[in-house]
Amino acid sequence: DIQMTQFPSTLSASVGDRVTITCRASQTIISWLAWYQQKPGKAPKLLIYKASSLESGVPSRFSGSGSGTEFTLTISSLQPDDLATYYCQQYNTYPLTFGGGSKVEIK
Amino acid sequence: EVQVLESGGDLVQPGGSLRLSCAASGFTFSSYAMSWVRQAPGKGLEWVSATSGSGGNTNYADSVKGRFTISRDNSENTLYLQMNSLRAEDTAIYYCAKAGAVGGTRWYFDLWGRGTLVTVSS
Repeated sequence: DIQMTQFPSTLSASVGDRVTITCRASQTIISWLAWYQQKPGKAPKLLIYKASSLESGVPSRFSGSGSGTEFTLTISSLQPDDLATYYCQQYNTYPLTFGGGSKVEIK
Repeated sequence: EVQVLESGGDLVQPGGSLRLSCAASGFTFSSYAMSWVRQAPGKGLEWVSATSGSGGNTNYADSVKGRFTISRDNSENTLYLQMNSLRAEDTAIYYCAKAGAVGGTRWYFDLWGRGTLVTVSS
């Protein structure tokens, strides 16, 4: 199975800060990576697919990059509404696997 | 409105069975792969199972293989998960999720339901 390691597991930042979350795959997944946002008590929401493609309706402050085994999700200017846990998911190989999550807190 | 809505979650004893349903609307159900993803209380997301648009191809996590069966009724726009031999570690919110693209074999998920809670306990 492909292991997905996310870091940091928790981060605290101020409104307006640039925030970066990293996801590392245990073997190459080319660009078959998605990012999701999950707010407390809610279902996950797709933000990014194919490593860098922004899902329709998602604010442009979210962006994704990377290929192979190392990927990043960047929030260019953190907003109060971005309080959530963020998950990466590889869809290169079964079983599909998720990272452990990165919780973003607002200072 | 494009949506998926899960139902069927309940409290069940270890060793018991349960069938979850996911009713889809607002899109051509048979064109999209569908999946079940679960989340144990306070934990991260775990993929459980997926099925192609026709239902002809299915995949399972090792943790549920041989105990859970995914199926779909495209005439009723409904996805199912039959869960047998349930264990305490199956306790979770179960989400139904729609694949983000038509066809293919590599799936991310662009539409999620609110989830249904399954509790396995005596």
